[in-house]
Amino acid sequence: KNQVEQSPQSLIILEGKNCTLQCNYTVSPFSNLRWYKQDTGRGPVSLTIMTFSENTKSNGRYTATLDADTKQSSLHITASQLSDSASYICVVGRVTGGGNKLTFGTGTQLKVEL
Amino acid sequence: ETGVTQSPTHLIKTRGQQVTLRCSSQSGHNTVSWYQQALGQGPQFIFQYYREEENGRGNFPPRFSGLQFPNYSSELNVNALELDDSALYLCASSLGPLETQYFGPGTRLLVL
Repeated sequence: KNQVEQSPQSLIILEGKNCTLQCNYTVSPFSNLRWYKQDTGRGPVSLTIMTFSENTKSNGRYTATLDADTKQSSLHITASQLSDSASYICVVGRVTGGGNKLTFGTGTQLKVEL
Repeated sequence: ETGVTQSPTHLIKTRGQQVTLRCSSQSGHNTVSWYQQALGQGPQFIFQYYREEENGRGNFPPRFSGLQFPNYSSELNVNALELDDSALYLCASSLGPLETQYFGPGTRLLVL
């Protein structure tokens, strides 16, 4: 079954600290992996996208890693800011005979406090 | 802002009714994907339209249907609404089926 699991479910950190979010997947055949940030009540916003041949991708203070062998990804946030408080969703894509399909994780809810 | 717009922003319906949600894609994008997001859950893929043709469908019953217009805007139709259809409905547009998706703000549907 194609699944994406994220951990932790929620996280509280102090402003300025770093944190790492985890994503494990069983989606096959793998096409790409994306990390999205979703503010409460808004649509997700793309942070990074990686294909099979890429094992790291950065976007400002966000750095995503991918290990396609172990089917794991992480999102590292450096020097967190209050505006980083949001849900971070890992999304894995696969290409099937029926077209391109994305499987979403349930997200990690991050709260950054003073 | 992603340039993807959805209407309406909020909607209240009763069981058995039908609803149509609309999505305007970002300029130049020919692909629109629709998702259902229940409270506290990640989005679930409903279907994708590429150049006016359905290009993939998730595990949703046939009462969920859609179409894409020549200008690449899209509609999601849900017939015979059920209480469990209450959710945030997101659409996302992209340059192609495998390209980065840009999400709209969503339509929040409440079925009573």
